Amino acid sequence: GENVEQHPSTLSVQEGDSAVIKCTYSDSASNYFPWYKQELGKGPQLIIDIRSNVGEKKDQRIAVTLNKTAKHFSLHITETQPEDSAVYFCAATPPGGSQGNLIFGKGTKLSVKP
Amino acid sequence: DVKVTQSSRYLVKRTGEKVFLECVQDMDHENMFWYRQDPGLGLRLIYFSYDVKMKEKGDIPEGYSVSREKKERFSLILESASTNQTSMYLCASSPGPLYEQYFGPGTRLTVT
Repeated sequence: GENVEQHPSTLSVQEGDSAVIKCTYSDSASNYFPWYKQELGKGPQLIIDIRSNVGEKKDQRIAVTLNKTAKHFSLHITETQPEDSAVYFCAATPPGGSQGNLIFGKGTKLSVKP
Repeated sequence: DVKVTQSSRYLVKRTGEKVFLECVQDMDHENMFWYRQDPGLGLRLIYFSYDVKMKEKGDIPEGYSVSREKKERFSLILESASTNQTSMYLCASSPGPLYEQYFGPGTRLTVT
């Protein structure tokens, strides 16, 4: 089945620096790749997503890039702020198509030090 | 704003008890999901539903069942709770495939 690998599991950066989280997936037919942010005590919330017909998408300080040939996609956060500290999850659609279900990575705990 | 509510934030049950976790969404979403979240294991899908009375197994359905009698409500049932089902349970809903999933705040279940 689909496997989504996420690295690193923890990431610590200084405020103002950039942070990059990378995910790889196994099924070349996967076509939707969302990123979720989970703050302490809350459920995950979508921050950005990308579909397989697009290579890059930006939303202010957040960007996602997709390399279909290499089967990996990355989250880039620039000018990090303490409020970016959270757990981030990547996800991908599973093999055989999706009726809405996703396969999630194991998460990255990002700490932004002031 | 989309709102997904879960019946309890914290729940403590005894081994062997039947446990019901309830989830309600207020946006007429077609899809609903139950996940469990454990440290180091991320989010794992237990069951999902794409229509009333329809259900599909996720990655870890063993020991769980679900019910969706109304569009807005999706219930997770632990027929006979065991200590290895101690976990955070998250419910989510979405308007359809390849759309944003909206998560509830989670229920932390402890089985003793």
